[in-house]
Amino acid sequence: AQRVTQPEKLLSVFKGAPVELKCNYSYSGSPELFWYVQYSRQRLQLLLRHISRESIKGFTADLNKGETSFHLKKPFAQEEDSAMYYCALNIGAGNNRKLIWGLGTSLAVNP
Amino acid sequence: DTEVTQTPKHLVMGMTNKKSLKCEQHMGHRAMYWYKQKAKKPPELMFVYSYEKLSINESVPSRFSPECPNSSLLNLHLHALQPEDSALYLCASSQDLAGAQTDTQYFGPGTRLTVL
Repeated sequence: AQRVTQPEKLLSVFKGAPVELKCNYSYSGSPELFWYVQYSRQRLQLLLRHISRESIKGFTADLNKGETSFHLKKPFAQEEDSAMYYCALNIGAGNNRKLIWGLGTSLAVNP
Repeated sequence: DTEVTQTPKHLVMGMTNKKSLKCEQHMGHRAMYWYKQKAKKPPELMFVYSYEKLSINESVPSRFSPECPNSSLLNLHLHALQPEDSALYLCASSQDLAGAQTDTQYFGPGTRLTVL
């Protein structure tokens, strides 16, 4: 079954501490994974997609097919990183392509 | 214009009312989506349009009726809703549905719907 699991509902860290938001997936096909972020009172926006292998706002995520994971990491958390983070997996083919979403992790970065 | 816009921002309606939500994008995207999002939950896909044709309906009740009049515009017509339909309704668009490079979704700010 296709599934995205974010095991932590809430993650609380202090400013300057490293942060890792976990995402595991289950999918028989070739995975296409994304991290989306939703700041308070702002629209849901793309943070990272695995095919780009980029770093946005200091965040990185590496696809590990052996562990079926796509964890989001940042070495030094900032207060403005406080938000809800969703991991999402693209499934299907052609006009049936769609995202399935993890339940999200709420990150709180404390001063 | 590089944003997805949605109107209205807020909508309060009774269970017998008929209303519509509107979504617009001018990025040349050919895939458009409606999602429903409850507080602190991920978005739930409702409908996907690809090249103005409905390609996915996630078994949404018929009291929700989508419409895609042209490649820039997506409507969601609402009729006889229930209080449990109260939620944030999100529209998104992507270049197309061909692959991860081009079907990265860009979201609007949402319409906060309250059904009394």
